[in-house]
Amino acid sequence: AQRVTQPEKLLSVFKGAPVELKCNYSYSGSPELFWYVQYSRQRLQLLLRHISRESIKGFTADLNKGETSFHLKKPFAQEEDSAMYYCALLTGGGNKLTFGTGTQLKVEL
Amino acid sequence: NAGVTQTPKFRVLKTGQSMTLLCAQDMNHEYMYWYRQDPGMGLRLIHYSVGEGTTAKGEVPDGYNVSRLKKQNFLLGLESAAPSQTSVYFCASSVGLNSYNEQFFGPGTRLTVL
Repeated sequence: AQRVTQPEKLLSVFKGAPVELKCNYSYSGSPELFWYVQYSRQRLQLLLRHISRESIKGFTADLNKGETSFHLKKPFAQEEDSAMYYCALLTGGGNKLTFGTGTQLKVEL
Repeated sequence: NAGVTQTPKFRVLKTGQSMTLLCAQDMNHEYMYWYRQDPGMGLRLIHYSVGEGTTAKGEVPDGYNVSRLKKQNFLLGLESAAPSQTSVYFCASSVGLNSYNEQFFGPGTRLTVL
């Protein structure tokens, strides 16, 4: 069965420090992975998807099939990065997303 | 263009009461979803729909029913609410099966069952 694991419930870093939010997945098919973000008092929104190989707001994520990981990284954390981050895996033949349990990122001054 | 809207924003129910949550989208999306968000458990899929008139069970469907009579609306019903259904409920929609598959989320409904 498919599964997405985010081992950290809370990650606290100082402003300017590097950030890495971990995500591991378990899936028998070819994985399509996403990072969604929920800022305080805002709705959940897509941050980035692995097939686009894009950098959004300074964040990048590389799919590592050997380690079954899709970690989210940013070299220098900003205060506005504080939010809840969810890793998600496309499943059900492309019909639905399986989400991880989320990681709350807190960037301290 | 309002995107995905949810009604109501907040609701308090007593155990055993029923209610319906309404989700509406104006993006002509084929797919719609209902999730619940609980602390430490992330988002879990309750039910989803891949088109008007279709519904399917997600990860945690027990105690809920859904209907998709119109393409733009997706209703989530609780026939007999239980305290375990206290949660924040999110609706989402997406274009359908394509290589991007971005889901657009509503603002959420906070439900408390006493």
